[in-house]
Amino acid sequence: TQLLEQSPQFLSIQEGENLTVYCNSSSVFSSLQWYRQEPGEGPVLLVTVVTGGEVKKLKRLTFQFGDARKDSSLHITAAQPGDTGLYLCAGVTGTYKYIFGTGTRLKVLA
Amino acid sequence: SAVISQKPSRDICQRGTSLTIQCQVDSQVTMMFWYRQQPGQSLTLIATANQGSEATYESGFVIDKFPISRPNLTFSTLTVSNMSPEDSSIYLCSAQGDSYNEQFFGPGTRLTVL
Repeated sequence: TQLLEQSPQFLSIQEGENLTVYCNSSSVFSSLQWYRQEPGEGPVLLVTVVTGGEVKKLKRLTFQFGDARKDSSLHITAAQPGDTGLYLCAGVTGTYKYIFGTGTRLKVLA
Repeated sequence: SAVISQKPSRDICQRGTSLTIQCQVDSQVTMMFWYRQQPGQSLTLIATANQGSEATYESGFVIDKFPISRPNLTFSTLTVSNMSPEDSSIYLCSAQGDSYNEQFFGPGTRLTVL
């Protein structure tokens, strides 16, 4: 069974602080995605990383795919209350299935 | 991108009854997926629904409990049969975009079984 463990599980920080969320697996994925989900809505895709070692930036968010394509990280610089939500990583397998991580609930306090 | 709607958005049902959830996509898509999510937790894939073929179920999910229809490229339904309180959850449908790296989700259906 392919598992994606995220850490931390919960994170409560002050506005302006930086944070990193980790997504780890023992399995290799074709690509890895990060989603953000707000209450009452479905997850929204933030980014897809495909190549081992790849780094992508989306404004204050930086995503990195591990060299071996087994893990990933999401770094948020100067967090804002609008960043609050559930962050989910998802590994895409060779058969186009999406294996979702355990989730990180982020709360940014004003 | 694809816009996905689900009906109903929420429902409260009695034990032993069945509920059918509808998922409508605003464009034609090949692959659609059904997930289950406990509030604030991760998503678990129930099945993959391809038009013109039977749904493919993940381990722990069976067709008798979660029958799925996929009559065309823009629509799918998931039925939760013979419900018990353990079926209380959020049910999400999603559609794969032009690339296998794109996946768009509906807003979910929050089901409570009494």
